[in-house]
Amino acid sequence: RKEVEQDPGPFNVPEGATVAFNCTYSNSASQSFFWYRQDCRKEPKLLMSVYSSGNEDGRFTAQLNRASQYISLLIRDSKLSDSATYLCVVNLEYGNKLVFGAGTILRVKS
Amino acid sequence: DGGITQSPKYLFRKEGQNVTLSCEQNLNHDAMYWYRQDPGQGLRLIYYSQIVNDFQKGDIAEGYSVSREKKESFPLTVTSAQKNPTAFYLCASSPRDENTEAFFGQGTRLTVV
Repeated sequence: RKEVEQDPGPFNVPEGATVAFNCTYSNSASQSFFWYRQDCRKEPKLLMSVYSSGNEDGRFTAQLNRASQYISLLIRDSKLSDSATYLCVVNLEYGNKLVFGAGTILRVKS
Repeated sequence: DGGITQSPKYLFRKEGQNVTLSCEQNLNHDAMYWYRQDPGQGLRLIYYSQIVNDFQKGDIAEGYSVSREKKESFPLTVTSAQKNPTAFYLCASSPRDENTEAFFGQGTRLTVV
């Protein structure tokens, strides 16, 4: 089993749609979780951290379910500019071993 | 400006040659990482370092070597033992606190011909 697994993509959605990505992790001792966004041929950039209580930033909502060992990202009212690859990142152990999921491609179309 | 710098952005090498990719950060971060990304794939961890003079193998360390003699520098050498070295290489750094994000350099695109 991979340490971090994400929904297979690509997700093709129309503008204005709501789309959700899930990510599961194998190590129950994982301490911190993040969603990154990566545009084509660019470096990943932090989209949001994921807290136990869940967090929201505008159209983006991230949630953590420790019991089931998954995190999710919800994007509401999708924009064309949301088209990118979304990477789930888990810090697997104390001392920072950041492991990335394979990424989910989102394509928002007009 | 604080940041993490990778150089060069594009690199071409002949098969069988070793090549070293540079990664420098002035963010005073303890932890540094090297990832490899192939087309349409996610990031795979090559090596990571939590502190100066210490580093650990990631998931795909074979054919690579690193050093961490200075806090701000974490060079990656792609050796001739790496069977398929053509890829996009990303360096990142983060504070030692595990709850903080990692910051990435712009990457080096290595092509071996």
